[in-house]
Amino acid sequence: DAKTTQPNSMESNEEEPVHLPCNHSTISGTDYIHWYRQLPSQGPEYVIHGLTSNVNNRMASLAIAEDRKSSTLILHRATLRDAAVYYCILRDRGSTLGRLYFGRGTQLTVWP
Amino acid sequence: GAGVSQSPSNKVTEKGKDVELRCDPISGHTALYWYRQSLGQGLEFLIYFQGNSAPDKSGLPSDRFSAERTGGSVSTLTIQRTQQEDSAVYLCASSEDRTNTGELFFGEGSRLTVL
Repeated sequence: DAKTTQPNSMESNEEEPVHLPCNHSTISGTDYIHWYRQLPSQGPEYVIHGLTSNVNNRMASLAIAEDRKSSTLILHRATLRDAAVYYCILRDRGSTLGRLYFGRGTQLTVWP
Repeated sequence: GAGVSQSPSNKVTEKGKDVELRCDPISGHTALYWYRQSLGQGLEFLIYFQGNSAPDKSGLPSDRFSAERTGGSVSTLTIQRTQQEDSAVYLCASSEDRTNTGELFFGEGSRLTVL
């Protein structure tokens, strides 16, 4: 799987929007963009995924650049519970199984 | 249960002893994964099962590590002659193969401490 690049850490205040960036310049045309997050002392949990169009769900929104070389996970109103490590991952749509490569992710700190 | 279950949640062992870590995946999930996470680090892939077979075991760090899966369900990760560098949280995840999201559901992990 192609690799991604994320900032090591970001900070936000509670109830403010958060934009978490991810660069994936070597993305292939068949790669989905997945986001997971890991709360303290827990296993990672799925957040959202997309291919080309922007996506929304109850947890977050995913904005994908037109050239697909970058994407942004958007938390519309950060809460203290959103403090976690966020992982941006690419996965070949033709390969729904097999390993996911988790990098170091972005540590999000949310201040009250 | 509704989620992925791992046991034990915590294991302290002495260097040189063998340990077994167990994973009960979500019922019906054919794919099962083992990862490990050292303190302050990202997730390191260990092995992936599809049913009872392991198409990708390339992440196992040494021949002291082995894993098996029986009945397409429970999996056991075995570490022989444990070393201090084996200390980590071992995470298990499962996934069903009928979705194109390939969403992984993780357990809460087994924390291994080797003294």
